Amino acid sequence: DSGVTQTPKHLITATGQRVTLRCSPRSGDLSVYWYQQSLDQGLQFLIQYYNGEERAKGNILERFSAQQFPDLHSELNLSSLELGDSALYFCASSVAGQRNEQFFGPGTRLTVL
Amino acid sequence: GENVEQHPSTLSVQEGDSAVIKCTYSDSASNYFPWYKQELGKGPQLIIDIRSNVGEKKDQRIAVTLNKTAKHFSLHITETQPEDSAVYFCAASPNTGKLIFGQGTTLQVKP
Repeated sequence: DSGVTQTPKHLITATGQRVTLRCSPRSGDLSVYWYQQSLDQGLQFLIQYYNGEERAKGNILERFSAQQFPDLHSELNLSSLELGDSALYFCASSVAGQRNEQFFGPGTRLTVL
Repeated sequence: GENVEQHPSTLSVQEGDSAVIKCTYSDSASNYFPWYKQELGKGPQLIIDIRSNVGEKKDQRIAVTLNKTAKHFSLHITETQPEDSAVYFCAASPNTGKLIFGQGTTLQVKP
């Protein structure tokens, strides 16, 4: 167990809908990262937050947004969902922002029908 | 751009043999190289990492080597066991915190 928690474990929804994925980092970690894992794209970095502020952005679609709250938990919002958004979404956390070990949560499996 | 190539995509070995997975990265600014093991239905688990000021690091049956000049790094698993069967990912971090992952290697250890 990495200490990173993610909810829900599974999410099934329809195209056009909006969902929110939640992540709680390990105790003491200030940085949260979101990754998408799909069969064709592999593990792709989406976005990073450090102590409430956006630190880095990757291949995140404009339909996707995220935030990190004062208690350091983070939410990833996915809207206007398409079939191609079906994937595993992982959250990872680390103590600080750079060159530190990232510990991954168990993931949320999103299925868009 | 930032890219990590990982080979092979699948690897099958007999129990007790060694397994080697190789990665090449493109961004010369990369200075942190972790390896993750992912079992079915679980998140990636950090198993070992190496930083750019070190050429080799070992942890029991697992070792990682880094050649910064060639932009290569490799994972070596000795005395493989069936429980080593999983998907292994290499990654590189270009000093921004984000990880750029390789495509993954499915390792099968046959008893």
